[in-house]
Amino acid sequence: GNSVTQMEGPVTLSEEAFLTINCTYTATGYPSLFWYVQYPGEGLQLLLKATKADDKGSNKGFEATYRKETTSFHLEKGSVQVSDSAVYFCALIILTGGGNKLTFGTGTQLKVEL
Amino acid sequence: DAGVTQSPTHLIKTRGQHVTLRCSPISGHKSVSWYQQVLGQGPQFIFQYYEKEERGRGNFPDRFSARQFPNYSSELNVNALLLGDSALYLCASSLDLQGRQTQYFGPGTRLLVL
Repeated sequence: GNSVTQMEGPVTLSEEAFLTINCTYTATGYPSLFWYVQYPGEGLQLLLKATKADDKGSNKGFEATYRKETTSFHLEKGSVQVSDSAVYFCALIILTGGGNKLTFGTGTQLKVEL
Repeated sequence: DAGVTQSPTHLIKTRGQHVTLRCSPISGHKSVSWYQQVLGQGPQFIFQYYEKEERGRGNFPDRFSARQFPNYSSELNVNALLLGDSALYLCASSLDLQGRQTQYFGPGTRLLVL
């Protein structure tokens, strides 16, 4: 089946530190890959996506590159801010006869301190 | 344009009761999906509807049902509520069922079963 594995949190960083959140996937076909962010008490917001190998998704200083050879989609940001504190979810979609459901990882909580 | 809207925002029920959750997709979006997010975990896929037809179903018991209306809004129904049904229920909409299409999430309905 399809699955997503994320590094466990919480990840605690100082402001302006470099961020990496690891994400690897297992898929029976050719997935599209996504990072969603969830701020406290809110729903999910799309952060970035990539739909084919070697694509780089980017948004708000965050980046992730679709690596087919290592089945990975690691999230990076060069300088985090306190406002980046949230839970980050890696997810994939494979289109099947059963629709295009998102399969999520368990989430990684990021805490950024001054 | 308005995003995905869900109602109610919060709900408290007792075991054995029934609940109906509602979702309005982004204008022009024809697909609606439902996800359950238990505290501390990633969202789990429940249903997907497209053009008023069920196109995917996750591993949930028959107590869970849903439908999509001609205006593409959707309802999720849960019968005979259990304590374990306490969760954040998220609705997501997308234009269609193409795998690369982004699913946009609503703020969720937080259900507490006592």
